[in-house]
Amino acid sequence: DAKTTQPPSMDCAEGRAANLPCNHSTISGNEYVYWYRQIHSQGPQYIIHGLKNNETNEMASLIITEDRKSSTLILPHATLRDTAVYYCIALSGTYKYIFGTGTRLKVLA
Amino acid sequence: GAVVSQHPSRVICKSGTSVKIECRSLDFQATTMFWYRQFPKQSLMLMATSNEGSKATYEQGVEKDKFLINHASLTLSTLTVTSAHPEDSSFYICSASGESNSPLHFGNGTRLTVT
Repeated sequence: DAKTTQPPSMDCAEGRAANLPCNHSTISGNEYVYWYRQIHSQGPQYIIHGLKNNETNEMASLIITEDRKSSTLILPHATLRDTAVYYCIALSGTYKYIFGTGTRLKVLA
Repeated sequence: GAVVSQHPSRVICKSGTSVKIECRSLDFQATTMFWYRQFPKQSLMLMATSNEGSKATYEQGVEKDKFLINHASLTLSTLTVTSAHPEDSSFYICSASGESNSPLHFGNGTRLTVT
């Protein structure tokens, strides 16, 4: 499974879009990109996943570059409740998720 | 959506005792479940893969005799921390998936404190 790299922390003003980048330059053709977040003292919450097309759901949008070496999770209107650690994972098939250090997003009032 | 329930959410036990944590998939069947451990301010670390009807597969450095995993049905996996010590105090999280290529869903974790 591809290694992912994320910035350790980011701040975002409440109501603005939060754009969280993830680098997965060694991703292979059949590996999906998954995004999760973990709010303090809870289990990770699934946000979105994609293979090569951009995806959108009620929580977020996922933009994957054409070469698939990086992606960006977009929270269109961040709220204080979006403060969490966000994890990007790239893998296929096995479900053996290996979590990196993630990005600690702080949404500021 | 898929729901994974974990119980208990918190447990305090004395050194030397054993603690059992349950992980249930509530609305789907899970042939495979995963157990993670998370220390404060660190990321989740995969401990073991729990397979229904067979032995669990442990990650390197995880003692299988200390962390007993039983996956007796398609909706239940248990993790027993045997002879717990204060250094076993941690946040334990399970996860499961129902269908191929669908995302893993996680329980809300169990905070274990060993005194």
